[in-house]
Amino acid sequence: NAGVTQTPKFQVLKTGQSMTLQCAQDMNHEYMSWYRQDPGMGLRLIHYSVGAGITDQGEVPNGYNVSRSTTEDFPLRLLSAAPSQTSVYFCASTRTGTYEQYFGPGTRLTVT
Amino acid sequence: GESVGLHLPTLSVQEGDNSIINCAYSNSASDYFIWYKQESGKGPQFIIDIRSNMDKRQGQRVTVLLNKTVKHLSLQIAATQPGDSAVYFCAENSGTYKYIFGTGTRLKVLA
Repeated sequence: NAGVTQTPKFQVLKTGQSMTLQCAQDMNHEYMSWYRQDPGMGLRLIHYSVGAGITDQGEVPNGYNVSRSTTEDFPLRLLSAAPSQTSVYFCASTRTGTYEQYFGPGTRLTVT
Repeated sequence: GESVGLHLPTLSVQEGDNSIINCAYSNSASDYFIWYKQESGKGPQFIIDIRSNMDKRQGQRVTVLLNKTVKHLSLQIAATQPGDSAVYFCAENSGTYKYIFGTGTRLKVLA
């Protein structure tokens, strides 16, 4: 198993640009989530999904969209990037039937 | 490198000593807790978990203690090694798949 994979690893955007952060898992986990991690703060939940076709907002959803068309993939879209979205983004999936959450390697995003 | 840990509290221990990292959690209804290890430039790595019906759980070289009375978790690492150097943080869950994460403690192992 590759586990949770994320691409790209690094990205620089200009204010107003859009992009999609990719996340995939090959463990057949139903639950997936996106977090952002900022200096001095704990991980904050952006969006999550409890299964294909079902998504919901987390703590800091503004400026981000998600979709879940398959169990494996959970992309995060930034519609119009802002400097406040400069952060490290982590995708995670949770083993079905447990609360064991596993993280991808992260995407470091800088918005100028 | 990772910029997340710029302002974190730091625990420095000698190689071979035991480390104790503490975490205060916020929700008295939380019933599941996880400790994560995060190395520079990497995603958080699951270390050990504990449910609220337990006070203690042991893994390989790690022990988690839970004190529900004061809403406190600790992670004990026995015989700390250089490879243990990382940021450690706890997470709490109240059964809704939504986690609340602590800000973390940086562990530095001194040779």
